[in-house]
Amino acid sequence: DVKVTQSSRYLVKRTGEKVFLECVQDMDHENMFWYRQDPGLGLRLIYFSYDVKMKEKGDIPEGYSVSREKKERFSLILESASTNQTSMYLCASSPGDSTGGYEQYFGPGTRLTVT
Amino acid sequence: AQSVTQPDIHITVSEGASLELRCNYSYGATPYLFWYVQSPGQGLQLLLKYFSGDTLVQGIKGFEAEFKRSQSSFNLRKPSVHWSDAAEYFCAVGQEYGNKLVFGAGTILRVKS
Repeated sequence: DVKVTQSSRYLVKRTGEKVFLECVQDMDHENMFWYRQDPGLGLRLIYFSYDVKMKEKGDIPEGYSVSREKKERFSLILESASTNQTSMYLCASSPGDSTGGYEQYFGPGTRLTVT
Repeated sequence: AQSVTQPDIHITVSEGASLELRCNYSYGATPYLFWYVQSPGQGLQLLLKYFSGDTLVQGIKGFEAEFKRSQSSFNLRKPSVHWSDAAEYFCAVGQEYGNKLVFGAGTILRVKS
């Protein structure tokens, strides 16, 4: 079974802090994704990565950055946390080709509260 | 641009009743379509997917979905709902490049006994 783990289930940070959310997948997947989930808005893509050290902006990248130094690890960074970044953050990975399938496998999520 | 519409924000059904959750998508090419389920406080789990071939696809937990190109729809169905099916359900459409998915806003299913 594919396993995607996220470093924290719950996190509380103060406004202005730098926040790191870590995600690790154990299936050698090419692609990794960060989403935020808010009620009534579904999942919105923040950033994704299709290879080590490669990244592309998603639909809502403002206020976020990412890092992928190793294939299995994809980090989301909030440079200066703000209250409007309070949300559920979901990490996902996918094999990246038609033989492997295009579905994404999700971690359990990190609920971040910024006060 | 791709988009996914799930017209029902909340649906309540009685245990044992049938279920249909609606999903409409907008995408120019042949879509890759998915249904995911999210239990409270959990990540998303894949229920089923459509890439090509038979337009009626079977998934886990007794769910099925039918792809109707003419209606740009991919509705999820289950003949008899169990209390454990109470969750939020997301429809998603994908594109090959980057394997990105676009998600609908979700439908929250409540099951009453």
